Amino acid sequence: DVKVTQSSRYLVKRTGEKVFLECVQDMDHENMFWYRQDPGLGLRLIYFSYDVKMKEKGDIPEGYSVSREKKERFSLILESASTNQTSMYLCASRLTHPDGQPQHFGDGTRLSIL
Amino acid sequence: AQSVTQLGSHVSVSEGALVLLRCNYSSSVPPYLFWYVQYPNQGLQLLLKYTSAATLVKGINGFEAEFKKSETSFHLTKPSAHMSDAAEYFCAVTTTSGTYKYIFGTGTRLKVLA
Repeated sequence: DVKVTQSSRYLVKRTGEKVFLECVQDMDHENMFWYRQDPGLGLRLIYFSYDVKMKEKGDIPEGYSVSREKKERFSLILESASTNQTSMYLCASRLTHPDGQPQHFGDGTRLSIL
Repeated sequence: AQSVTQLGSHVSVSEGALVLLRCNYSSSVPPYLFWYVQYPNQGLQLLLKYTSAATLVKGINGFEAEFKKSETSFHLTKPSAHMSDAAEYFCAVTTTSGTYKYIFGTGTRLKVLA
């Protein structure tokens, strides 16, 4: 089974802090994703990485950056945390081929910015 | 452009009754469709996927879904609800390789009554 591990289940940080969320997958998947999940808004894509050191902005990249130095690890960085970034953050990974591959999700990090 | 609509943000059924969760999609090219389940404070777990091999797809935990092109639907069903089925369910769509876009519905919270 695919295992996607997010480093923290719950995290509390203060406004203005630099926050790192880590995600590791163990199935040699090329693609990795960061989403945030908010009630009534579903899942919104923040960033996508299609390979090591490669990244693409998603629908809501403002205030975030990412790093993918190794294939198995994809980090989400909140450069200067703000209260409107309080949310559930989900990491996912998938194979690129064949077509129609599902995403595999981690357990999420519930982040509170005070 | 793709889109997904889940009718009913909340659905309640009695234990032992039929579960029907609705998903309609819009896609200009043949879609790949997925159903995910999310238990409280966890990530999304894949229930089943449609990748054009068969229109009736069986998944885990007794769930199945039928792809109906004429109705652009991919409704999720289970003949007999169990208390452990209480969770939030998400329908998602993507298309052929070359895209990283997965469009998720806003979710349906299933409540199972004793």
